[in-house]
Amino acid sequence: GQQLNQSPQSMFIQEGEDVSMNCTSSSIFNTWLWYKQDPGEGPVLLIALYKAGELTSNGRLTAQFGITRKDSFLNISASIPSDVGIYFCAGQLQGGSEKLVFGKGTKLTVNP
Amino acid sequence: DGGITQSPKYLFRKEGQNVTLSCEQNLNHDAMYWYRQDPGQGLRLIYYSQIVNDFQKGDIAEGYSVSREKKESFPLTVTSAQKNPTAFFLCASSIGGPNQPQHFGDGTRLSIL
Repeated sequence: GQQLNQSPQSMFIQEGEDVSMNCTSSSIFNTWLWYKQDPGEGPVLLIALYKAGELTSNGRLTAQFGITRKDSFLNISASIPSDVGIYFCAGQLQGGSEKLVFGKGTKLTVNP
Repeated sequence: DGGITQSPKYLFRKEGQNVTLSCEQNLNHDAMYWYRQDPGQGLRLIYYSQIVNDFQKGDIAEGYSVSREKKESFPLTVTSAQKNPTAFFLCASSIGGPNQPQHFGDGTRLSIL
């Protein structure tokens, strides 16, 4: 199936630091979504992006839909301990169905 | 409150046994999805349904079956043919159609006794 390359696989940071993660693909996407998953829970939608170049914020989170429509990034500013979790990118392919393609996740650890 | 409810939270099955995982939503969403999540992996699509009484196989449908008799419900049966042990199963729903985000339940963890 289609692949989304999400990096980094894991991050260990100090509280207060900024974080950046991204997803890339060789395919063109119509929609990019960023989710956060806490242990033993389902993913929660953080940000949805629908247009190339779109930059959207949700509190300390900012995500962008790449101009080429093949990538997206998520930034977290001034990290806090509750930011710990796994962050997933997901996209809907151009011309595809409403099925989502998921990255493998970025595991974030924040040291107080 | 509107949302997606998965039950049970934990489920154990013996080898050779079929088990059914429940997923109910009261969001009036047309589309529903089942995913399997393994450690260090992204979510893999098992089955999805875009409308009542219709469903399609996803990427890893072998060993699973579903039904969509009601808009609110999309149960997943893990059959004895599914050999993989412990896994985390996630149900999601969306309004339906392109460019609509999916919203997830809290998952069911299935283990083999």
